[in-house]
Amino acid sequence: DSGVTQTPKHLITATGQRVTLRCSPRSGDLSVYWYQQSLDQGLQFLIQYYNGEERAKGNILERFSAQQFPDLHSELNLSSLELGDSALYFCASSVGVRPTGNTIYFGEGSWLTVV
Amino acid sequence: GDSVTQMEGPVTLSEEAFLTINCTYTATGYPSLFWYVQYPGEGLQLLLKATKADDKGSNKGFEATYRKETTSFHLEKGSVQVSDSAVYFCALSEASNTGKLIFGQGTTLQVKP
Repeated sequence: DSGVTQTPKHLITATGQRVTLRCSPRSGDLSVYWYQQSLDQGLQFLIQYYNGEERAKGNILERFSAQQFPDLHSELNLSSLELGDSALYFCASSVGVRPTGNTIYFGEGSWLTVV
Repeated sequence: GDSVTQMEGPVTLSEEAFLTINCTYTATGYPSLFWYVQYPGEGLQLLLKATKADDKGSNKGFEATYRKETTSFHLEKGSVQVSDSAVYFCALSEASNTGKLIFGQGTTLQVKP
């Protein structure tokens, strides 16, 4: 158990809908990351927050947004869903900003299926 | 941009065989390098890391050496076990002040008894 909690574990929704994925980081971790894992794109970095502020942005679509709340949990909002958004979405957390001196711990992921 | 290339899998080995999974990278600056492992139904776990050239990361019998001259970070284990069956990801962190990791495509290892 990494200590990173993601909900829901599985989600099936229709095209055009909106979903919210939730992540609770490990106790004491200030950085939260979101990654998307799909068969065709592999593991793609979406976004990083550090202590409530956006720190880095990757290949995140405009239809997707995220935020980190004062209690440090984070939510990833996916809207106008398309079939191609079906993927495993990972949340991860670390104490600091960079992975060099701070181990990044991954949650078990949220499986999103868009039908 | 920065990128990571891993050997394609799946890799199928018998128990106690020697394992090598190749990983090469392209990066500006001096990235840190990582190997992550994903067991079935679980998230990724950090296996080992190296932060500068010639560093050797090691954990659970796995080793990898940061080779700047060949831009490589190959994963090795002398004697694999069935329990090592998993997907292995090579990754780098950019030489920037963020936590972004760039992953290779992953290599599936299956170890047969």
